[in-house]
Amino acid sequence: DQQVKQNSPSLSVQEGRISILNCDYTNSMFDYFLWYKKYPAEGPTFLISISSIKDKNEDGRFTVFLNKSAKHLSLHIVPSQPGDSAVYFCAATRPGGATNKLIFGTGTLLAVQP
Amino acid sequence: ETGVTQSPTHLIKTRGQQVTLRCSSQSGHNTVSWYQQALGQGPQFIFQYYREEENGRGNFPPRFSGLQFPNYSSELNVNALELDDSALYLCASSLESGFIQYFGAGTRLSVL
Repeated sequence: DQQVKQNSPSLSVQEGRISILNCDYTNSMFDYFLWYKKYPAEGPTFLISISSIKDKNEDGRFTVFLNKSAKHLSLHIVPSQPGDSAVYFCAATRPGGATNKLIFGTGTLLAVQP
Repeated sequence: ETGVTQSPTHLIKTRGQQVTLRCSSQSGHNTVSWYQQALGQGPQFIFQYYREEENGRGNFPPRFSGLQFPNYSSELNVNALELDDSALYLCASSLESGFIQYFGAGTRLSVL
């Protein structure tokens, strides 16, 4: 059962334009969400997160939006840069349990074309 | 501040062998989690260690085991290796109460 889904395996965007990466989840108990970026031969790097008590969190060029009723979140990158080309993973967790394990989606490969 | 480091970076084993992977947590972090990332998939939670005890486990068989040491470093041991164990193994560290986990570069395990 895939509790966190990223239905777009890949996305190609022109430099300077907006990149929108989407993520859906099925478990309503999730209340903290994270985005990680992964370059080849490196581990995932934390990018931005959002708590379920918010619907938006912004950090520089990166903004995450959360729609709890739709169980959907998205990551917006504006403006996109070639260095943003990487695999982006959405992850969810349930703080307050014995283990803050992260449940990951399958990732979206973003290619930013110069 | 030292980040999460993992060793070795690559490893080749044959089916039935045993392997030990190592992880040093980020400075000040007392919790270590291990994940398996198969090709084309997202990382899957194996288990987490806190205060040298297993603190939660994912859907992995008992031949996957671990240790955490007093300095918070950790080991992942896999016995009786199977071909399907070929994957990238990621270690992540965090504060006990922290939601954000910081990952190492991983160990690429190939089982032949």
